[in-house]
Amino acid sequence: DTGVSQDPRHKITKRGQNVTFRCDPISEHNRLYWYRQTLGQGPEFLTYFQNEAQLEKSRLLSDRFSAERPKGSFSTLEIQRTEQGDSAMYLCASSLTPRADYGYTFGSGTRLTVV
Amino acid sequence: AQTVTQSQPEMSVQEAETVTLSCTYDTSESDYYLFWYKQPPSRQMILVIRQEAYKQQNATENRFSVNFQKAAKSFSLKISDSQLGDAAMYFCAYRSDNNAGNMLTFGGGTRLMVKP
Repeated sequence: DTGVSQDPRHKITKRGQNVTFRCDPISEHNRLYWYRQTLGQGPEFLTYFQNEAQLEKSRLLSDRFSAERPKGSFSTLEIQRTEQGDSAMYLCASSLTPRADYGYTFGSGTRLTVV
Repeated sequence: AQTVTQSQPEMSVQEAETVTLSCTYDTSESDYYLFWYKQPPSRQMILVIRQEAYKQQNATENRFSVNFQKAAKSFSLKISDSQLGDAAMYFCAYRSDNNAGNMLTFGGGTRLMVKP
């Protein structure tokens, strides 16, 4: 297991198009998180899963955003009708409860540019 | 809601010297965790050091140490014997012990440059 993988690394899309990102967590980790990081800022929490259940969503996650984690394995984050304000780095992280107090393992992120 | 503030957008240090990055946070809680993460350019964020609020002893990890002042709500990171590989964005993060989801609240980051 080589850590948390995210695909694609970069995505350029036209405004109004839909995009989907994938995250493969560390296999034994039951928690999976999505964060968004805009240029020059710290990451902001979007949503998290415990196994396949989505347990919390931030107010940042508008109705154009949807996330899934079927079977508690990989996760996808879809953005519909993209807007220029969606341009950011989307970070995925995973952790194993109850050891989550040791912090997460982050992926390298997907950088989205909406033109 | 908790907030985390990093007041130094950029810091510079000479190789082999020591640098301290500042972080303050605002919370009404007594039990929480604090973290410093390092994000090298175009690479994943990695955990540098963590501190439990109930512990008075400051955490250390090799060349990295923290100065945790709970009453002042301050959590600074000291990097000793700075190396070129330490150049990165550094983020301070807070996690409530009452937060079942273990979500992190991050500061805005400090860009550390290391001069050879």
